Amino acid sequence: DIVMTQSPDSLAVSLGERATINCKSSQSVLYSSNNKNYLAWYQQKPGQPPKLLIYWASTRESGVPDRFSGSGSGTDFTLTISSLQAEDVAVYYCQQYYSTLLITFGPGTKVDIK
Amino acid sequence: QVQLVQSGAEVKKPGSSVKVSCKASGGTFSSYAISWVRQAPGQGLEWMGGIIPIFGTANYAQKFQGRVTITTDESTSTAYMELSSLRSEDTAVYYCARSSSSLGGFDWFDPWGQGTLVTVSS
Repeated sequence: DIVMTQSPDSLAVSLGERATINCKSSQSVLYSSNNKNYLAWYQQKPGQPPKLLIYWASTRESGVPDRFSGSGSGTDFTLTISSLQAEDVAVYYCQQYYSTLLITFGPGTKVDIK
Repeated sequence: QVQLVQSGAEVKKPGSSVKVSCKASGGTFSSYAISWVRQAPGQGLEWMGGIIPIFGTANYAQKFQGRVTITTDESTSTAYMELSSLRSEDTAVYYCARSSSSLGGFDWFDPWGQGTLVTVSS
């Protein structure tokens, strides 16, 4: 199984400041034949289903504000919110889809306003 | 725009079974994988398994093998998840979610259903 870990567990950032969330996979999710990282990021607000933000590690979903960006390759990935807005308070999850026999998610990172 | 609408909340006794439905509208149903993901109260997301309707064969996470059955009814564009031998630890919100690639298997999930709360309590 590919185990996903995230850090930190939670963070508080001032409005307008940068928030950075890290995600690490227990094995590489980079598929060599197409040079794509099989990793997605989601945002979940209380009482709502997760919302897709990023796929292929760095491709922003249509309609997602450009303050959200994804980077990384292999086993280490980052979700960055360049200028935190009040509506960005949520829990953020990474997910690997490299192993389709067992899709796995990270444990989540809670983002709050400082 | 595809929408997934799930059945309503359930309260079940330990040892019983629950069957949750997920009806798709607004797009092609048969060629896109549908997965089931659950979330226990205050916890993270856990993939249970999924199915590509046109192929009809489900993949299950090993943790749930033997207890979960995922099926589809293409005539109504509905997916189902049945979980048996329920215990209190199965209390969770259960989501259905569609993968993005036609005939591409399981990848990222979008859209998601609204979630169905299943409470297991004696």
